[in-house]
Amino acid sequence: DTAVSQTPKYLVTQMGNDKSIKCEQNLGHDTMYWYKQDSKKFLKIMFSYNNKELIINETVPNRFSPKSPDKAHLNLHINSLELGDSAVYFCASSDRGFTEAFFGQGTRLTVV
Amino acid sequence: SQQGEEDPQALSIQEGENATMNCSYKTSINNLQWYRQNSGRGLVHLILIRSNEREKHSGRLRVTLDTSKKSSSLLITASRAADTASYFCATGAYAGNMLTFGGGTRLMVKP
Repeated sequence: DTAVSQTPKYLVTQMGNDKSIKCEQNLGHDTMYWYKQDSKKFLKIMFSYNNKELIINETVPNRFSPKSPDKAHLNLHINSLELGDSAVYFCASSDRGFTEAFFGQGTRLTVV
Repeated sequence: SQQGEEDPQALSIQEGENATMNCSYKTSINNLQWYRQNSGRGLVHLILIRSNEREKHSGRLRVTLDTSKKSSSLLITASRAADTASYFCATGAYAGNMLTFGGGTRLMVKP
């Protein structure tokens, strides 16, 4: 069974559209994350979330918003997509915010 | 600015040689972790070293941590072609409740 799964794996969409990426973890972890990996492979933390607290990287545009229906899910909603949003987005989870993290396989978003 | 920065950005070695990657960070940490990413895949956790530890081993991996210099190194001994991947360090801290990654080192091991 996949520990952290995210869908879709690939997403191609036009500028201005709104899209969502789903993430689910079956590890019972309290903390989930979203990371953005750019073309240079740099990983940037976007959000850290547990059932008590959402921490937002202040550099993330407010077009990006995490939605957590329950502890096992953290979805990423992106409004008004821009060309610069093209990247690979990774979901991850960990027991606590600074312990070993388990990553999903990534969603490659291409905005055209 | 990023918390962790790896050095070198890219490293090419022959199979059987050792590979050393370095990581520097800026703030106080609870632990430092190393991850591996194969092309087109997610990151996989390799090893975690706590701030009160100086050295840790796991198979062919050896990690050192110098909190006074805010730096860490990852040594892969007797490298194999299958070790070809990108390696990232990540710092974990109580404050912020998140892992912060560096830019990674791309390792190529030639058969």
